[in-house]
Amino acid sequence: GENVEQHPSTLSVQEGDSAVIKCTYSDSASNYFPWYKQELGKRPQLIIDIRSNVGEKKDQRIAVTLNKTAKHFSLHITETQPEDSAVYFCAASGGSNYKLTFGKGTLLTVNP
Amino acid sequence: NAGVTQTPKFQVLKTGQSMTLQCAQDMNHEYMSWYRQDPGMGLRLIHYSVGAGITDQGEVPNGYNVSRSTTEDFPLRLLSAAPSQTSVYFCASSWDTGWGQPLHFGNGTRLTVT
Repeated sequence: GENVEQHPSTLSVQEGDSAVIKCTYSDSASNYFPWYKQELGKRPQLIIDIRSNVGEKKDQRIAVTLNKTAKHFSLHITETQPEDSAVYFCAASGGSNYKLTFGKGTLLTVNP
Repeated sequence: NAGVTQTPKFQVLKTGQSMTLQCAQDMNHEYMSWYRQDPGMGLRLIHYSVGAGITDQGEVPNGYNVSRSTTEDFPLRLLSAAPSQTSVYFCASSWDTGWGQPLHFGNGTRLTVT
């Protein structure tokens, strides 16, 4: 089955800095890569996703890049704000939400 | 719409007891799934369903049963609770399994097995 590795497990940045979270996946058939944000005590929520036929996708301060050859994808957050503090999960699947495999999560702390 | 509703929010069980975690959605979603979240382990898929009457196993199905008799409901049954099943359980649904459909998560059930 699919295996998703996520790094780092914790990340601390100063407000205004950029943050990068990286994930690798094992199944070359995977073609859908969403990112979820989970604030403390709350449910995970989708923040951005990318499909394997696209190399990069942006949404305001958030961007995701995908390198299908190397089987890794990354989340980039620019101009971080304290409200970006949360756990971020990457995920991969062979077809949208069908049997999504999640990474173990990254705790991002943005210090004011 | 209420979205995805999970009950109960908290539950304490003794080893060997059985119980059912309830999940209901009012968005007419075809796809429903159950995940467990443990510290440092991320979200792991237990069971999922692509429509009423259709269920399948995920990554960690042992010790759990599911059924999908209606589109709205997807209960998760613990047959004989074990301490290893102490976790936070999330139910999640989406319109279908098509690309780009966000998973809508419930608020979770925190289960402790003593």
